[in-house]
Amino acid sequence: EAGVAQSPRYKIIEKRQSVAFWCNPISGHATLYWYQQILGQGPKLLIQFQNNGVVDDSQLPKDRFSAERLKGVDSTLKIQPAKLEDSAVYLCASSPPGPPYEQYFGPGTRLTVT
Amino acid sequence: LAKTTQPISMDSYEGQEVNITCSHNNIATNDYITWYQQFPSQGPRFIIQGYKTKVTNEVASLFIPADRKSSTLSLPRVSLSDTAVYYCLVGPGGSYIPTFGRGTSLIVHP
Repeated sequence: EAGVAQSPRYKIIEKRQSVAFWCNPISGHATLYWYQQILGQGPKLLIQFQNNGVVDDSQLPKDRFSAERLKGVDSTLKIQPAKLEDSAVYLCASSPPGPPYEQYFGPGTRLTVT
Repeated sequence: LAKTTQPISMDSYEGQEVNITCSHNNIATNDYITWYQQFPSQGPRFIIQGYKTKVTNEVASLFIPADRKSSTLSLPRVSLSDTAVYYCLVGPGGSYIPTFGRGTSLIVHP
């Protein structure tokens, strides 16, 4: 079974530029998550989708971050404009519809904002 | 959502059993306890989940006392490759807002 795919794996941009990350979840997984993980901290949930609807985006900085899930499958996370404090690893995860609802994580995208 | 408290770090040696305890005093009746493992430069990986008493799989055991206010992840005979950060999450099964804390950084020494 293929895992969660993410691209790109690494990205370096200058502040005030824009960037987009892509995620392809495991087939059949209805729930998709985007996390931000700053070095030395646990993953912080940015947004959670159930199919193509948003379950929670309370921690998403909506003035600069946006996310969508097309047709309830792939998802993109965009940052515009980027700030220095956005430097982090962005993790995508998906989970199946039944118990135990464990999350399967992708390899992440390491973003460096200079 | 139930808040969790774990030790920041632990040290062990190869071949020893490691027990990592997580406190979750305000766990709700419908909450499950889930543990994840994260290696450097990788996303977290599901280890085990339980509701009460004891759960065991090929990787670890999870002990949950009757009051469910804490849980203990037990890793038998650790090896160097078990060096990782371990996260305890508490929440209801199904759709809920997962919250990762800082986790416990386990270092296994030769």
